[in-house]
Amino acid sequence: GESVGLHLPTLSVQEGDNSIINCAYSNSASDYFIWYKQESGKGPQFIIDIRSNMDKRQGQRVTVLLNKTVKHLSLQIAATQPGDSAVYFCAENYSKLTFGKGITLSVRP
Amino acid sequence: GAGVSQSPRYKVAKRGQDVALRCDPISGHVSLFWYQQALGQGPEFLTYFQNEAQLDKSGLPSDRFFAERPEGSVSTLKIQRTQQEDSAVYLCASSPSSRGTGPRGYTFGSGTRLTVV
Repeated sequence: GESVGLHLPTLSVQEGDNSIINCAYSNSASDYFIWYKQESGKGPQFIIDIRSNMDKRQGQRVTVLLNKTVKHLSLQIAATQPGDSAVYFCAENYSKLTFGKGITLSVRP
Repeated sequence: GAGVSQSPRYKVAKRGQDVALRCDPISGHVSLFWYQQALGQGPEFLTYFQNEAQLDKSGLPSDRFFAERPEGSVSTLKIQRTQQEDSAVYLCASSPSSRGTGPRGYTFGSGTRLTVV
């Protein structure tokens, strides 16, 4: 079936550095792509989304890039902070959200 | 309330026991979803309600799983004769969109962690 996958299971970055989390998706008909952050014991928290007709969207310290040609999505976090440590999921939205397996971001002080 | 509320936060059930998990969505949200999240995995879709109508239950793993939303607000996920493989976090999410799609995705609750022993 349709699925969303992530390339790397874990990512360790130095505090203050930029982080890039990548994701591949498979459903070309998805209308939105969304990044979620999940901290231990909590539900997924919305970070940023992007419509399928856009290539880039910026938020506060975060940028999402969408490459429909290769079905690739990325999340860039600027000046990574300890509070950014969490599991990050990309999800594609086609009648319902389909999540990938997640990547753990660990920020070294 | 301001967010999606789920209860109980933790549930330990003996194998074979029936359990009921409750979800209070954001007031006025039309769409309600249940997801199952196994340890170390992403959430997996279980079922979707638009108001009181259950429009998609394709993700329910077996007929032991049953969900309802009788008045289009609070929802209950019931699992009968629980098995060890049912151990997971059960997440509820709601959305103001009638299609269940649209910007910002869904707002998730903190989930109920079910452990079957």
